[in-house]
Amino acid sequence: GEDVEQSLFLSVREGDSSVINCTYTDSSSTYLYWYKQEPGAGLQLLTYIFSNMDMKQDQRLTVLLNKKDKHLSLRIADTQTGDSAIYFCAEGDTGFQKLVFGTGTRLLVSP
Amino acid sequence: DSGVTQTPKHLITATGQRVTLRCSPRSGDLSVYWYQQSLDQGLQFLIQYYNGEERAKGNILERFSAQQFPDLHSELNLSSLELGDSALYFCASNSREDSRTNEQFFGPGTRLTVL
Repeated sequence: GEDVEQSLFLSVREGDSSVINCTYTDSSSTYLYWYKQEPGAGLQLLTYIFSNMDMKQDQRLTVLLNKKDKHLSLRIADTQTGDSAIYFCAEGDTGFQKLVFGTGTRLLVSP
Repeated sequence: DSGVTQTPKHLITATGQRVTLRCSPRSGDLSVYWYQQSLDQGLQFLIQYYNGEERAKGNILERFSAQQFPDLHSELNLSSLELGDSALYFCASNSREDSRTNEQFFGPGTRLTVL
């Protein structure tokens, strides 16, 4: 079955690191994604990780994947107020396939 | 700007009515996906079209239908609207090159309010 869960809310101070967590159930997913949604905007792909990788780093973003526990995390280093948004993890397969999204985590960054 | 456009941005209508949401994918993208984002259901896949043909169906109600036209734009038709259909409807598209990683490019969404 498909079920992707995230904590609802995270609040951090500017300059701190943020860690957003996600658990998923479909172990056959090929890719796991992190999308960002700002108010009034669509979803923007931040990064993705192939399921046979443990870690991916992309500038301030670090994605960790624990396939055994079906746990995905997104770490944002030096979090800025502009990072305030809703973050969705999603799972999907290669090819033209639907994405299954998590519940979304609202990140609030205070000055 | 993802290159995917959706119209209208906002739509307010009454129960029982019918509306049409329009999506123009990125230039050259053959695949279009529709998603619904609501408070109680989260972000859910509705339906997908590829080069004019329906390719996959998700949790789409029978009152809802979609199509993709020869110019590749897509329309989502919602009929006999209920209060619970109030949501943000997103369209996404991708190309064969994107399909390897299944990166999808999302439009800004249409916010539907049913009163």
